[in-house]
Amino acid sequence: SQTIHQWPATLVQPVGSPLSLECTVEGTSNPNLYWYRQAAGRGLQLLFYSVGIGQISSEVPQNLSASRPQDRQFILSSKKLLLSDSGFYLCAWSQGAGGTDEQYFGPGTRLTVT
Amino acid sequence: AQSVAQPEDQVNVAEGNPLTVKCTYSVSGNPYLFWYVQYPNRGLQFLLKYITGDNLVKGSYGFEAEFNKSQTSFHLKKPSALVSDSALYFCAVRDFAFSGGYNKLIFGAGTRLAVHP
Repeated sequence: SQTIHQWPATLVQPVGSPLSLECTVEGTSNPNLYWYRQAAGRGLQLLFYSVGIGQISSEVPQNLSASRPQDRQFILSSKKLLLSDSGFYLCAWSQGAGGTDEQYFGPGTRLTVT
Repeated sequence: AQSVAQPEDQVNVAEGNPLTVKCTYSVSGNPYLFWYVQYPNRGLQFLLKYITGDNLVKGSYGFEAEFNKSQTSFHLKKPSALVSDSALYFCAVRDFAFSGGYNKLIFGAGTRLAVHP
């Protein structure tokens, strides 16, 4: 069966510090990968998606970047955090081309920028 | 444009009573529809989906959803609510107009379900 991991679970960082959040998926190959941000416990905002190694697409311009160095690894980064980067960050995966549509989410990382 | 709406911010129901969480959609063509649940400080969990076939779809934890094409709705239901069902529920629809190389989902804003003992 497939599992998705995210770490850290919680993070408190000062404004201006760098950020690195990691997501890994097990039990599948060539997944599509996604980073979402959820503010105030409500709606989801898609930040980045990736259909393959080194292939990253951004949905919204922002202070963040993403990388996919390996097939099942997805990293969310920032060089200098802003207060507005606080939120709940969710990684998700879905089957690749020709697969089913549902996305499966990791446990999330709660980021607080102080 | 493809879209999905959850008209209620919060739904309150007594334990043991039936519950309904509403979802309406707007897509061109036949919709692919999904429901997810999110417990506090957790990721979203997939509950069920409708692609084609029977209008009543059964999912995890005793939930079901009814697809109604004429009303463009996909309401989530459960015959008897439990306190443990209290969570945030998201409806989603596949965006067939998107051509970015993956099956994009559009999520609703979420509905908070509170089940009272």
